[in-house]
Amino acid sequence: AQTVTQSQPEMSVQEAETVTLSCTYDTSENNYYLFWYKQPPSRQMILVIRQEAYKQQNATENRFSVNFQKAAKSFSLKISDSQLGDTAMYFCAFMKGTGGGADGLTFGKGTHLIIQP
Amino acid sequence: DVKVTQSSRYLVKRTGEKVFLECVQDMDHENMFWYRQDPGLGLRLIYFSYDVKMKEKGDIPEGYSVSREKKERFSLILESASTNQTSMYLCASSRGLDRSPLHFGNGTRLTVT
Repeated sequence: AQTVTQSQPEMSVQEAETVTLSCTYDTSENNYYLFWYKQPPSRQMILVIRQEAYKQQNATENRFSVNFQKAAKSFSLKISDSQLGDTAMYFCAFMKGTGGGADGLTFGKGTHLIIQP
Repeated sequence: DVKVTQSSRYLVKRTGEKVFLECVQDMDHENMFWYRQDPGLGLRLIYFSYDVKMKEKGDIPEGYSVSREKKERFSLILESASTNQTSMYLCASSRGLDRSPLHFGNGTRLTVT
């Protein structure tokens, strides 16, 4: 079974700062996918970024980037030039690479990120 | 854009009632999921389905059942609701075979009194 650990229950930064959210995971799988989802107060879960474990290059999406350290089983999310709209719960999630994703995602407990004006 | 629709945003039920939570997706996705979200616990998988009439238990299936009679619809059933089932319930869907991301509905906040 997989486990995902987010060690920061809550973080608060000033607008325009850079913030890094931590995520570690444990698995015996060699082929897998990692995700960061954002859940704003509207409750809609929004995919932020996705990383394939077989790719060494870190994924980026505009102001969002990851630091993927496969050997250390670490998958942190960096948000640059943070904006008020980034205030949300952030969930790190793991998907096995086999089985077509039919058994879904394993989630961490989440980090509540607050961007202060 | 994929749309996953959950029939109710808020629901209040009494202990012992049978409760149905409905979820519909419009993108012909093979996989569908029900998660429960509680503060400090993240999202936990209740049941999932990879095809019509197929269902598999997730991590916390006790007290729940599911039904998938049509590809686009996945129902979560609380046979006899209890107060410890008060929670946020999230439905999701994904394409099969390629480990595509999950697309989520807006959630149903269920209160059992």
